[in-house]
Order: sequence, then structure tokens, then C-alpha cells
Amino acid sequence: DTGVSQNPRHKITKRGQNVTFRCDPISEHNRLYWYRQTLGQGPEFLTYFQNEAQLEKSRLLSDRFSAERPKGSFSTLEIQRTEQGDSAMYLCASSSVGETQYFGPGTRLLVL
Amino acid sequence: AQKVTQAQTEISVVEKEDVTLDCVYETRDTTYYLFWYKQPPSGELVFLIRRNSFDEQNEISGRYSWNFQKSTSSFNFTITASQVVDSAVYFCALPLGTYKYIFGTGTRLKVLA
Repeated sequence: DTGVSQNPRHKITKRGQNVTFRCDPISEHNRLYWYRQTLGQGPEFLTYFQNEAQLEKSRLLSDRFSAERPKGSFSTLEIQRTEQGDSAMYLCASSSVGETQYFGPGTRLLVL
Repeated sequence: AQKVTQAQTEISVVEKEDVTLDCVYETRDTTYYLFWYKQPPSGELVFLIRRNSFDEQNEISGRYSWNFQKSTSSFNFTITASQVVDSAVYFCALPLGTYKYIFGTGTRLKVLA
């Protein structure tokens, strides 16, 4: 029974570069969520998918952010033209509808 | 508005002491769930418990226990006989709708040997 996995675990990039993160949910879960966590804070919701449909995007998700879940399985989160303020932990979670969200190990992004 | 407050930023205890982590919430919903998660230094959020607002009975799981009081909008978490492995940041969370969790700012617990 595998949990939620995320890759890479760590990413260091220079300001202005694009980065892409991947999340593989628990296989039987049809919902997938992205959260962002900055130092000393709790996770903040970014967006979520039900199957392949992206149903809600937070105002935190600027135009430079895009998320996809093309076949309703894994998801990618891309950040274009990274800024130092994008440095954070990006957490992915999955669940069945109305059930508990289970989180992955996160991707720590550092923008220099 | 949905809100979760964890007023304790950091708590330090000596191993084998009992410790209680506080969580106070605000919601307009009449029925809701509440959650606790643990975040060890590795970063992964580990699910600990989900509680339905209908059920105000205390929950016990090994050294962990949870006290839910609707009258004071609190959902407190107690670790009995704390161990070094309990050192982590603990988050309380409240769903907004069926998909978005609102997290508190977390309580960092340090258990000293």
C-alpha cells in the first residue's frame, strides 16, 4: 500500500527559471490537492482536481502557476519565472470524495 | 468564516511528561470534521485523527487522546508520557466545504531526553 509520492523532494533554482513538480496520489483516490507551506505557517490550499478536472484555484495561485492532472492520475505543478517569494514547501494530498486527505512528503523549493 | 487558532507556538517538555496541545476553531457549519496532523522534520504531514462534530466523546489511541468540546469550540490533543519521537510540529485543521482544509499555524513540540 503506497502513499502519496512527490518528486523531486528538493529543488534549488535561480530566479526567473521555470520549475515543475510531480505528485503521484494513492491509486484509488480520485481527488488530488496542492498546498503551499511557508516557514512557520500551516499549509495553504492552492488548487484541487477531481479526476482530471481542476475544480478550484486559490487566489494564491498567480498566473505564473499552472497545475494539470491529464489522465486523472498523477499531477504536475509548474511555476514559471520563479520569484524568491515562491520559496516554500509544496505539498500534495489525495483523497476519495469527502474522505480524509493524505499528504505526500512535499517538495522544498528554494529560489535564489 | 472558518478559522483555526493554535495559540501555542512552541512547547518544550522533558521525556515522560504529559503535554496538551490546544486548538480553537470557528465555523458557521452545523456539522463539520476536525483533524490533527503531525509534521516531523522530514516534512510529510501524517494524519492522526478525524473527528465528526456529532461525536463529542473523547478519543484515545495509545498515548494519544483528544478532547472535543463543542461548547468552547476546542479540540485539544494530549500526549501521555511523551517520547523524543513525538518531537514534531502538530497541526489542527478544519475543512471549508468538502475539499479545502484550513490549518492552524501549528505547535512545535520539543521533547527533551
